[in-house]
Amino acid sequence: NAGVTQTPKFRVLKTGQSMTLLCAQDMNHEYMYWYRQDPGMGLRLIHYSVGEGTTAKGEVPDGYNVSRLKKQNFLLGLESAAPSQTSVYFCASSSGQPQFFGPGTRLTVL
Amino acid sequence: GQQVMQIPQYQHVQEGEDFTTYCNSSTTLSNIQWYKQRPGGHPVFLIQLVKSGEVKKQKRLTFQFGEAKKNSSLHITATQTTDVGTYFCAGPYYNQGGKLIFGQGTELSVKP
Repeated sequence: NAGVTQTPKFRVLKTGQSMTLLCAQDMNHEYMYWYRQDPGMGLRLIHYSVGEGTTAKGEVPDGYNVSRLKKQNFLLGLESAAPSQTSVYFCASSSGQPQFFGPGTRLTVL
Repeated sequence: GQQVMQIPQYQHVQEGEDFTTYCNSSTTLSNIQWYKQRPGGHPVFLIQLVKSGEVKKQKRLTFQFGEAKKNSSLHITATQTTDVGTYFCAGPYYNQGGKLIFGQGTELSVKP
């Protein structure tokens, strides 16, 4: 089992560009989450999903959109990237608790 | 709103010294979880505590859950360089399924 995978691992964007981060899990988990991690801020929840076709806002949702068309995939979109979105993005999945994290995507917005 | 605070933010120790990080929640938690993130890595689940006053051990790591289920601690005895990383506590949001609220983490560095 691969667990939770994320693509891409690294990305550099210019302000205003758009991109989609892909998260995939092969553990048949119902719940999936997107976090961002910034120095000294811990892990902050962006959006989450409690099942296929459902999504909900987390703590810091502004500037991001998500979709969960298939149970195993959770996509995070940035429509118009801003320098404030420079961060490390982690996806996680669970069947309740605990959560299992992917390796992360390091995004830089210039 | 619900908050989880963790102290200290950073801890530098000499190899062989002990280390403790503390976690405090603004609300009573149904459980508390601990995760470790190695430098450049991703958070990895260590343990979950559920019962009031619970104490669990994993080799040199001792985890405690407070009697009021609002605080927790992680103690490492005789640190080793392999203990380097950031330790996060996390508690479930009240009545919101699997969502977790994470503390800010304690970054541990160990000098050989």
